[in-house]
Amino acid sequence: GQQLNQSPQSMFIQEGEDVSMNCTSSSIFNTWLWYKQDPGEGPVLLIALYKAGELTSNGRLTAQFGITRKDSFLNISASIPSDVGIYFCAGLERGAQKLVFGQGTRLTINP
Amino acid sequence: GAGVSQTPSNKVTEKGKYVELRCDPISGHTALYWYRQSLGQGPEFLIYFQGTGAADDSGLPNDRFFAVRPEGSVSTLKIQRTERGDSAVYLCASSLRQGTYEQYFGPGTRLTVT
Repeated sequence: GQQLNQSPQSMFIQEGEDVSMNCTSSSIFNTWLWYKQDPGEGPVLLIALYKAGELTSNGRLTAQFGITRKDSFLNISASIPSDVGIYFCAGLERGAQKLVFGQGTRLTINP
Repeated sequence: GAGVSQTPSNKVTEKGKYVELRCDPISGHTALYWYRQSLGQGPEFLIYFQGTGAADDSGLPNDRFFAVRPEGSVSTLKIQRTERGDSAVYLCASSLRQGTYEQYFGPGTRLTVT
C-alpha cells in the first residue's frame, strides 16, 4: 500500500544532541501527525498539524507542516534516554479518514 | 485506564484456523479504525467504522478478513482460514468523531500463525 518516505531510517546520537527527521510524499496531505512507538506498544500521538506552514511544539518536540503540503519535519531538542524509540509520520488526504504512515525512524541514544 | 484496549495481547494460532481480535475504543469515540503492522513497517489501514457501519473497508486484503461493530462501541476483527502471511501486529485506533483527525492507538494484538 501507499506509504510516505521517511528519513533517515535510523539515527544513532549522543544524549543531549538535537534530532531532525522528515517525511515526504508524492501526494498532498491536509493533516500530518507524528507518533512515537515503543517496543510492544501502540503508537502514541505526539503532534498534529493542520495547516501548511504550521509550526507546532510539544515540549522539546517541534514539528512543521511543509508549505507544499507534501512534507513534514520533526525536531527533538536536547535528546534524553526516554526519547529512544521509533518515530512515525502519518498523513491524511482531504476527505479521507485513513492514515498513511511512513516506514519509521528508529532513534537510538548512546549513553 | 481511559485509553484504547485490545485483547488478546498475543495470539498464536495454526494455519487454517479462525481468529477474533477485539478492540474497546476510548469512551465516547464514535470513529474506530483497524490497522496492521508488519515487522519493521509502519501501520497499514484496514477498515474504518463511523458508528456501527463500516465507512471504508478498502484496506482489507481479501474476503478472509471481516470486522464488525454491532453497537457502535466494541469492534471485532475476524480472520478466517488464517495464513502465515497474516502474522503481524493488529492495531486499533479511535477518534472522537468523523472529521476529527487525531487517532489514538491501542497496544495492539500480536498474531502469529504457525
